[in-house]
Amino acid sequence: TQLLEQSPQFLSIQEGENLTVYCNSSSVFSSLQWYRQEPGEGPVLLVTVVTGGEVKKLKRLTFQFGDARKDSSLHITAAQTGDTGLYLCAVPFYNQGGKLIFGQGTELSVKP
Amino acid sequence: EPEVTQTPSHQVTQMGQEVILRCVPISNHLYFYWYRQILGQKVEFLVSFYNNEISEKSEIFDDQFSVERPDGSNFTLKIRSTKLEDSAMYFCASSYRGRNGYTFGSGTRLTVV
Repeated sequence: TQLLEQSPQFLSIQEGENLTVYCNSSSVFSSLQWYRQEPGEGPVLLVTVVTGGEVKKLKRLTFQFGDARKDSSLHITAAQTGDTGLYLCAVPFYNQGGKLIFGQGTELSVKP
Repeated sequence: EPEVTQTPSHQVTQMGQEVILRCVPISNHLYFYWYRQILGQKVEFLVSFYNNEISEKSEIFDDQFSVERPDGSNFTLKIRSTKLEDSAMYFCASSYRGRNGYTFGSGTRLTVV
């Protein structure tokens, strides 16, 4: 069983559309991170959410941490072709050397 | 913007050979990590390193693997007697405090033939 379940696994949309991807777990976390990974590159940290119910915005990207701190969502408004990539959620375990456990990712393709 | 630098970007090796993957973390960071990503699969934690010793390792990180910080700037991952299933992207990451601000390198693509 995966610690973090991301859905959908694949998403193909037209430029200008809105989308939401999800990261779910049955466990409670002290914080959760979202990364974006492009082909042949390492993950790039987008945001860290810490407080239950917290909402953070990064331009057209809106991140929310669930009230119970078990899940999170990423909403993209008016997607652009430059948003294409693999979106990963991850949980840091600070008492275990700071290791990150990743979800399997959502592969987003935005077509012109 | 400070970067984590990894070399080489690609490495092809014969099965059974030893490889050393190299990383230069961000200079003031104190926590160092190796992750791997097999093609089409998720990013998996291998090992974390702090204060010149391993602080956490996964089940994947068995006796075949070792890490070292040979000087003040480099952080290496050695894989002994490589197997076909070791073929993957290997990412180095560093963090100042072992929380929140993780920076990943661009990875080394290891192909074992």
